[in-house]
Amino acid sequence: AQKVTQAQTEISVVEKEDVTLDCVYETRDTTYYLFWYKQPPSGELVFLIRRNSFDEQNEISGRYSWNFQKSTSSFNFTITASQVVDSAVYFCALSEAGGSSASKIIFGSGTRLSIRP
Amino acid sequence: EPEVTQTPSHQVTQMGQEVILRCVPISNHLYFYWYRQILGQKVEFLVSFYNNEISEKSEIFDDQFSVERPDGSNFTLKIRSTKLEDSAMYFCASRVGRTTGELFFGEGSRLTVL
Repeated sequence: AQKVTQAQTEISVVEKEDVTLDCVYETRDTTYYLFWYKQPPSGELVFLIRRNSFDEQNEISGRYSWNFQKSTSSFNFTITASQVVDSAVYFCALSEAGGSSASKIIFGSGTRLSIRP
Repeated sequence: EPEVTQTPSHQVTQMGQEVILRCVPISNHLYFYWYRQILGQKVEFLVSFYNNEISEKSEIFDDQFSVERPDGSNFTLKIRSTKLEDSAMYFCASRVGRTTGELFFGEGSRLTVL
């Protein structure tokens, strides 16, 4: 069964600090996909990134970077030089390639990130 | 940019009433999903839909829930007899392929059951 654990319920940092959001996943599939979504106070779910299980290269997009390590089943997300606009709930998610025909995505419980000015 | 649209944005209903939440997925997408988020909690999978039938459903998706795609564009979630605990934000999502591509979410329909 697939499972995503985000142990950090809430994080609060001062603007310009770097912050890392942890994500640990469980799956029996050898092919799977990992995601991060952002949910700002307005409530919508904003897609940030998708990685497949065969691609362990770390990715950087502006101030965002992701560290995927299969050995520890982790897919951590780092925001560099955080800004107040980064304040949101961040969800890590997992989709298995096997299973049902529509391959659902399941979400972790989320980490609420607050950036203080 | 194409988007998933949901209506209504907010619905208030009395316990025991039927509710229909509507979604228009992105036009070339083939896989459709409903998720639920109780206030302040995680986003929970309800049901997935492909090829005009339910692909998978969670234990939350009991006999009170149903989905259909009546006309090739809308994708609806019906709750037959709402309970207080059905109060939540309901998100519709779609994607083009079974495992490929991003899952696009609508902005959500907030359901309040009194």
